Amino acid sequence: AQSVTQLGSHVSVSEGALVLLRCNYSSSVPPYLFWYVQYPNQGLQLLLKYTTGATLVKGINGFEAEFKKSETSFHLTKPSAHMSDAAEYFCAVRPWFAGGTSYGKLTFGQGTILTVHP
Amino acid sequence: DTEVTQTPKHLVMGMTNKKSLKCEQHMGHRAMYWYKQKAKKPPELMFVYSYEKLSINESVPSRFSPECPNSSLLNLHLHALQPEDSALYLCASSQDSRSYEQYFGPGTRLTVT
Repeated sequence: AQSVTQLGSHVSVSEGALVLLRCNYSSSVPPYLFWYVQYPNQGLQLLLKYTTGATLVKGINGFEAEFKKSETSFHLTKPSAHMSDAAEYFCAVRPWFAGGTSYGKLTFGQGTILTVHP
Repeated sequence: DTEVTQTPKHLVMGMTNKKSLKCEQHMGHRAMYWYKQKAKKPPELMFVYSYEKLSINESVPSRFSPECPNSSLLNLHLHALQPEDSALYLCASSQDSRSYEQYFGPGTRLTVT
């Protein structure tokens, strides 16, 4: 079984400030981890993913995330927020093997709405 | 081309209507997915097709009927829906169902009146 918890349904930052969106996961097997962004009335766009290898992952639009196995976390950061970063962000997990009922299944967190103030 | 397209963008239908949602990708992906997303909620998986065969049905009511006519196309046929079925319906595709990267379409905003 796997689950994802995103701490904070809303995060508000000033333009130019650090963005930190928190994600903790629970998985019985080593997971693949993802961050997706969703702008209003649009589909999901993959920001970055962790599969294997380097635990600090860089994505698009200046975002990065660090996989910390000991903390079961995969927090998303960006050094300097831009107005265009305002959107909803979803952390997601899937097992590293695809088999049985978990075949192809992503489990999403509840989402965090990021607001950026001028 | 890394695009998944969905039509229509918006759909309003009555509870007695029959309508279909369409999804298309030309990336050569062999797995395609339907998700349902209610307002302020994460997407919920409905169906997974792998090599044009239905591999996962997440206990979705029979008023939703998926179809995969070929490897590029995925349809969702709707019949006798309820107002609570109003949501954003997202299609996604991936290289195959073991592939970890899913590409999402922009969605169809469905309103059932």
